[in-house]
Amino acid sequence: GAGVSQSPRYKVAKRGQDVALRCDPISGHVSLFWYQQALGQGPEFLTYFQNEAQLDKSGLPSDRFFAERPEGSVSTLKIQRTQQEDSAVYLCASSFRDGVFTFGSGTRLTVV
Amino acid sequence: SQQGEEDPQALSIQEGENATMNCSYKTSINNLQWYRQNSGRGLVHLILIRSNEREKHSGRLRVTLDTSKKSSSLLITASRAADTASYFCATDISNFGNEKLTFGTGTRLTIIP
Repeated sequence: GAGVSQSPRYKVAKRGQDVALRCDPISGHVSLFWYQQALGQGPEFLTYFQNEAQLDKSGLPSDRFFAERPEGSVSTLKIQRTQQEDSAVYLCASSFRDGVFTFGSGTRLTVV
Repeated sequence: SQQGEEDPQALSIQEGENATMNCSYKTSINNLQWYRQNSGRGLVHLILIRSNEREKHSGRLRVTLDTSKKSSSLLITASRAADTASYFCATDISNFGNEKLTFGTGTRLTIIP
């Protein structure tokens, strides 16, 4: 596609509910990144894929967070048993080989 | 954790004036990039400067990099109302580039018409 597509755009979850956030990167982009952005802050790295391989998951805040990219294209970030502190905007970005990131518009998650 | 810190945190200027934002970072880098974020949207890449470069221009944007001071600046000349946004610096510390970026805390720029 022309850009990075994320869905849903907004998600309200009750505390304890599981959520799944989808990212559809630019076709042919090898690298895919997930970031978490709290209000008024810069994006914080969560995890990174090169094709289907998850090369770095050092930023995932707990074992409730899980990401996959099984066929090297679409990626899903799953959060189990959501907590209020998980409320944030989740950004996905993809990159070819030049190190320049193209970001999606993000998913705003609100846990109530 | 944030690798970079932008300064100032917020900046308001009159349309037509120049805006300067600074970024400091902590470790050696492969490249440094600047991104813009409009409210409620994703980030848009503005410019990339490599560790062996000192200055780069793109339209009304001028970026400088001082690796000895671990700092960078972004200058936007002849500002426009549409430049109102948050601006983030981001560093790539990988050996070959194209690995994760670490973002700073951002400068919120407001252009007053």
